[in-house]
Amino acid sequence: QSALTQPPSASGSPGQAVTISCTGTSSDVGGYNRVSWYQQHPGKAPKLLIYEVTKRPSGVPDRFSGSKSGNTASLTVSGLQAEDEADYYCTSYAGGNNWAVFGGGTKLTVL
Amino acid sequence: EVQLVESGGALVQPGGSLRLSCAASGFNFNVYSMNWVRQAPRGLEWVSYITSDTRTIHYADSVKGRFTISRDNAKNSLYLQMNSLRDEDTAVYYCARGFQWAFDSWGQGILVTVSS
Repeated sequence: QSALTQPPSASGSPGQAVTISCTGTSSDVGGYNRVSWYQQHPGKAPKLLIYEVTKRPSGVPDRFSGSKSGNTASLTVSGLQAEDEADYYCTSYAGGNNWAVFGGGTKLTVL
Repeated sequence: EVQLVESGGALVQPGGSLRLSCAASGFNFNVYSMNWVRQAPRGLEWVSYITSDTRTIHYADSVKGRFTISRDNAKNSLYLQMNSLRDEDTAVYYCARGFQWAFDSWGQGILVTVSS
């Protein structure tokens, strides 16, 4: 069982917005602004989309945005495109030796 | 361009050992922390972390006492020595560069299979 809880699947039509949640505890997501999100296409390595809850690395479209409320972080993908169909993972620093805990992943389908 | 290339994956019997390597290029390896992250069908799991100066090292509880992370800044290389391997260590292993409490660059991954 993963330390962070994500819905196993999400879907939306092209042009729509979809939000994926990532629920932890006060010891990880809620305790630090150190949540990051990754996109992974089949057979590829994960790609960093969001770090420190809301920040985007250069080159990541602004259609991807992050937020956090309490122990739950969220990734919103706006203006869905076919190439957004992928698996999405959240992760958070959890203090001490628990450098990073991952969510179980969400498979995003573009209808 | 940042490049991370893992090597050393193999089929190994339970109880065996294996050493993974990660060759880094395209950035100043000396100033970045580095990580190993693995992916089994059950999802992604952080394995180990090492700072640029090797002063701080962390391990996931699942590998503590069995795996050892190290680096050679002169060779721009990261390593993972894996001992007492178990079936549940079977996974694709990625090396990943640390950045602001995240992993901003990843290798292509290398498969480790533990099976008799």
